Amino acid sequence: DIQMTQSPSSLSASVGDRVTITCRASQGISNYLAWYQQKPGKVPKLLIYAASTLQSGVPSRFSGSGSGTDFTLTISSLQPEDVATYYCQKYNSARALTFGGGTKVEIK
Amino acid sequence: QVQLVQSGAEVKKPGASVKVSCKASGYTFTSYDINWVRQATGQGLEWMGWMNPNSGNTGYAQKFQGRVTMTRNTSISTAYMELSSLRSEDTAVYYCARRTFVDWYFDLWGRGTLVTVSS
Repeated sequence: DIQMTQSPSSLSASVGDRVTITCRASQGISNYLAWYQQKPGKVPKLLIYAASTLQSGVPSRFSGSGSGTDFTLTISSLQPEDVATYYCQKYNSARALTFGGGTKVEIK
Repeated sequence: QVQLVQSGAEVKKPGASVKVSCKASGYTFTSYDINWVRQATGQGLEWMGWMNPNSGNTGYAQKFQGRVTMTRNTSISTAYMELSSLRSEDTAVYYCARRTFVDWYFDLWGRGTLVTVSS
């Protein structure tokens, strides 16, 4: 099975900082990658799909890039409301819709 | 309002089964696959499988094969996930999530059902 590895597992940054989270697939998955945001005590929310397409209503400070095995989620200017855990999910095969381990983002 | 409403929290003993429901409203239930994802306390998301509400076809993650059953009742727009032979490691919040029309990511989630397995 293809494994999804996120890094870092947690980070602390200041308001206004640029934040980058990485997701690596153990095999190529083209651009079949989604990103979710889960705020504390809340339900996961879809941010990005097809590696770089922003879901409707998601602020433009969020962006995604990558293809094949290496992907990134970038928050261009971190806001207090962005405190959350972020998960990547591969969906190249309906037999195994695997999530990454998550990256917890906190404000410094 | 487009939403998925899940059943309430459950407490089960090891070896028992649990059945969680997920009622869809605000959209055509049979048009979108329902998936189940679980999350142990403080842990990440784990995909369990999918069900097509129109055909009843299912696909389960290898880890849960033989122990999970996903069904539906189209007359009440409700999906079900039953997990058997429960053990303490199954203690988690179980989410239903709607797969998008286009591809296998999830644009609508239920609020989750806490299942606690304890003797």
